[in-house]
Amino acid sequence: QVQLQESGPGLVKPSGTLSLTCAVSGDSITSHRWWTWVRQPPGKGLEWIGEIYHSGSTNYNPSLKSRVTISVDKPRNQFSLRLTSVTAADTAVYYCANPSEMALLWWGQGILVTVSS
Amino acid sequence: EIVLTQSPGTLSLSPGETATLSCRASQSVSNNYLAWYQQKPGQAPRLLIYGASSRATGIPDRFSGSGSGTDFSLTISRLEPEDFAVYYCQQYDSSPLYSFGQGTKLEIK
Repeated sequence: QVQLQESGPGLVKPSGTLSLTCAVSGDSITSHRWWTWVRQPPGKGLEWIGEIYHSGSTNYNPSLKSRVTISVDKPRNQFSLRLTSVTAADTAVYYCANPSEMALLWWGQGILVTVSS
Repeated sequence: EIVLTQSPGTLSLSPGETATLSCRASQSVSNNYLAWYQQKPGQAPRLLIYGASSRATGIPDRFSGSGSGTDFSLTISRLEPEDFAVYYCQQYDSSPLYSFGQGTKLEIK
């Protein structure tokens, strides 16, 4: 069973950079899996941000691609999200997740990130 | 980009009844890569169904998924109090890889 735990600042200033980390346990990040980020604005639906394979290959949501970077840290068994030029519209609960059979099976508990001055 | 539309927006039912939730895609979903999730307040989504009709591990058989192409449904039989939540459908395609419906809220009548 894969366990995921998000961490990072809960408050980011407008125009700043949002940086989050997802620690993976119960599995090696070098297993044959893609590692994913999803977000959910308060009271709204889910939005897929992007994913990374342990080789470093990435796929991003076109709506966020210009601002998003996902990276992997194999020695620490974790992966990270970086979102630049944030606005209030980026306020959301950010989840890391892990897919199986083209669906998102394992989820972290989520972390609320608020963009505000 | 495939757009998923869920209906109804809110469904009011009583425990013991059967719920039928719909998810319609703007174009055919590849290989029926359609999943359903349950989300309760303050919790992460939980995968219920993948591949349109396969139950995830540990999901009661009261939950069933069906459909193909552009029309999919999630049926919850014999509603239990813990089933009242928001449900999302999700498809896997080329770009973006994952997209979600807007959700259906299942509330107690």
